[in-house]
Amino acid sequence: DIQMTQSPSSLSASVGDRVTITCRASQGISNYLAWFQQKPGKAPKSLIYAASSLQSGVPSKFSGSGSGTDFTLTISSLQPEDFATYYCQQYSTYPITFGQGTRLEIK
Amino acid sequence: EVQLVESGGGLVEPGGSLRLSCAASGFPFSNYAMTWVRQAPGKGLEWVSTISSSGGSTYYADSVKGRFTISRDNSKNTLFLLINSLRVEDTALFYCAKSLVGATRGIDYWGQGTLVTVSS
Repeated sequence: DIQMTQSPSSLSASVGDRVTITCRASQGISNYLAWFQQKPGKAPKSLIYAASSLQSGVPSKFSGSGSGTDFTLTISSLQPEDFATYYCQQYSTYPITFGQGTRLEIK
Repeated sequence: EVQLVESGGGLVEPGGSLRLSCAASGFPFSNYAMTWVRQAPGKGLEWVSTISSSGGSTYYADSVKGRFTISRDNSKNTLFLLINSLRVEDTALFYCAKSLVGATRGIDYWGQGTLVTVSS
């Protein structure tokens, strides 16, 4: 199975900050990487697919990059509604696997 | 607008069974693979199972293989998950999800989830 490791596991930031979350795959997955946002008590929301493509309706403050084994999600100009948990997911092969999540908190 | 509405969750004793349903609308259901993902209380996301658009191919996580069965009724735009031999560790919120265009294993839309609680 492909293991997905996110770092950091938690992150404190202030409104207006720019933050970067990293996701590393245990083996190469090309660009079959997605990012999801989940707020407490809510379903996950898709942000990015194919490592860097923005889902429809997602603001351009979210951006993704990477290929192979190393990927990043960057969120610019943090707003209160951005504080949530973020998950990466590889969909290169079965079993589909998720990172453990990164909790983004307000400083 | 894509809508996915899960139902069928509830409280069940260990060893019991449930059938989860996911009613889909707002997209051509029969053209897309569909997936179940679960989330135990306070934990992360865990892929459970995926079914191809026709229903001819199914895939399962090792943790549920042999106990869970995914299926679909394309005439009714509905996805199912039959869960047998339930264990306490199966307690989770179960989400159904729609696949990405052109990427069966990817996900772009999620339902709101249905809660399965396994307890005696």
